[in-house]
Amino acid sequence: EIVLTQSPATLSLSPGERATLSCRASQSVSSYLAWYQQKPGQAPRLLIYDASNRATGIPARFSGSGSGTDFTLAISSLEPEDFAVYYCQQRSNWPPITFGQGTRLDIK
Amino acid sequence: QVQLEESGGGVVQPGRSLRLSCAASGFTFSSYGMHWVRQAPGKGLECVAVIWYDGSNKYYADSVKGRFTIFRDNSKNTLYLQMDSLRAEDTAVYYCARDKGATVSYFDYWGQGTLVTVSS
Repeated sequence: EIVLTQSPATLSLSPGERATLSCRASQSVSSYLAWYQQKPGQAPRLLIYDASNRATGIPARFSGSGSGTDFTLAISSLEPEDFAVYYCQQRSNWPPITFGQGTRLDIK
Repeated sequence: QVQLEESGGGVVQPGRSLRLSCAASGFTFSSYGMHWVRQAPGKGLECVAVIWYDGSNKYYADSVKGRFTIFRDNSKNTLYLQMDSLRAEDTAVYYCARDKGATVSYFDYWGQGTLVTVSS
C-alpha cells in the first residue's frame, strides 16, 4: 500500500499570502496524484488531478506540481474561502486508492 | 448538472445491516466508475469500495472486505452499498463519488454524504 504523508499538519497564514502544501508518497506514483479541498460540513472538491491539471471551475491561483514521490499544492494569494482542509490522493498503485491525512489551512 | 444524492444512513446496532443508495443524475451513469468514500468523525478520507462503469470489477478496502458489497443498477442510475456485520468503527459519513473515468482514477463529483452510526 502506498502511504501519502502530508505536511505540515496545520498551516496558519493570512489572506493574500502564498500557501505551499506538501504531499510525499512512500513510493513513486508517477504523476497520478490529485488534490482535494474540504470545508466543514461539505464534501471534498477535486482541485488538481494528474499532479498539475486544474479541475473544471478551479481558479488559476491553485496550482500543482511534482512527480514521483514529492508533490506540492500552491495557492498563490489566499482568499478567505480557501481556508479549509486539503487532501492528496494517489491512483498509481491500487487497490487500495489512498489519501493523505490532510493539511488544515487556518487563518492567522 | 451532475448530481449525486445518498440515502439510507442512520443509527444501527453492531452486527446488523444497512444498505446505502446513491441516485445519480445529470450525466451518463453507465459510462463512469463509482466509489464509496467514508470519513469517520474528525478523521480523514477512506475509499471503501469501487465499481467499474459496467459493474464488471469491484474492489474493497481491507477494512470492509467480506462485509460490504458495492453494486449498481445502470437502468436506474443508482449505486448501492450493502453493509453487513457492522462494527462501531464503521461509524462515518459515507459519500458516493463519481470517478473521472470509466474505471479508477480520481473523484470529480461527490454527494453530500449520509451519516452511518453504529452503536448499541
